[in-house]
Amino acid sequence: SQTIHQWPATLVQPVGSPLSLECTVEGTSNPNLYWYRQAAGRGLQLLFYSVGIGQISSEVPQNLSASRPQDRQFILSSKKLLLSDSGFYLCAWSRTNTEAFFGQGTRLTVV
Amino acid sequence: QKEVEQNSGPLSVPEGAIASLNCTYSDRVSQSFFWYRQYSGKSPELIMSIYSNGDKEDGRFTAQLNKASQYVSLLIRDSQPSDSATYLCAVLPGTYKYIFGTGTRLKVLA
Repeated sequence: SQTIHQWPATLVQPVGSPLSLECTVEGTSNPNLYWYRQAAGRGLQLLFYSVGIGQISSEVPQNLSASRPQDRQFILSSKKLLLSDSGFYLCAWSRTNTEAFFGQGTRLTVV
Repeated sequence: QKEVEQNSGPLSVPEGAIASLNCTYSDRVSQSFFWYRQYSGKSPELIMSIYSNGDKEDGRFTAQLNKASQYVSLLIRDSQPSDSATYLCAVLPGTYKYIFGTGTRLKVLA
């Protein structure tokens, strides 16, 4: 069976510090991978998605970036965090045209 | 602008009742539809997928899809307090990009 791992679960970072969130998927190959952000009481905002190694589509212009160095690894990064980057970050995977499955999420607080 | 609309709620139902959650979407080419449950502070978990018009049942859950009316719903029979959560409707208009509604908060009253 497939599993998705996302870490860390919680993170408190100062403004201006870098960020690196990692997500890995097990039990499948060539998954579609996603990064979403959910602000408190809000819907899911698609940040990036990837359909293959090195292929990244950005949905929202901002100070975040994503990379897919390996088939089942997806990384969300920032060089300098802003207060507005606080939120619940969710990694997800899917097979094409089917349901998406989410990791446990990372709650990021920028202080 | 492709949109998925849900009533934010809260929808309050007594224990044992049927909870009815509704969702409308704007993109007529959408072919895949999903319901997720999200407990407070947790990530969304998939409840149901539906791809064809009509009803799809899984235990206490029934998803209903009407593509002509661009409407998808979720019925929860015999609602339990543990069903209290936010329910997210998601649509896949194309191949990769899921569009999520903002969710309906359900409260099941014991």
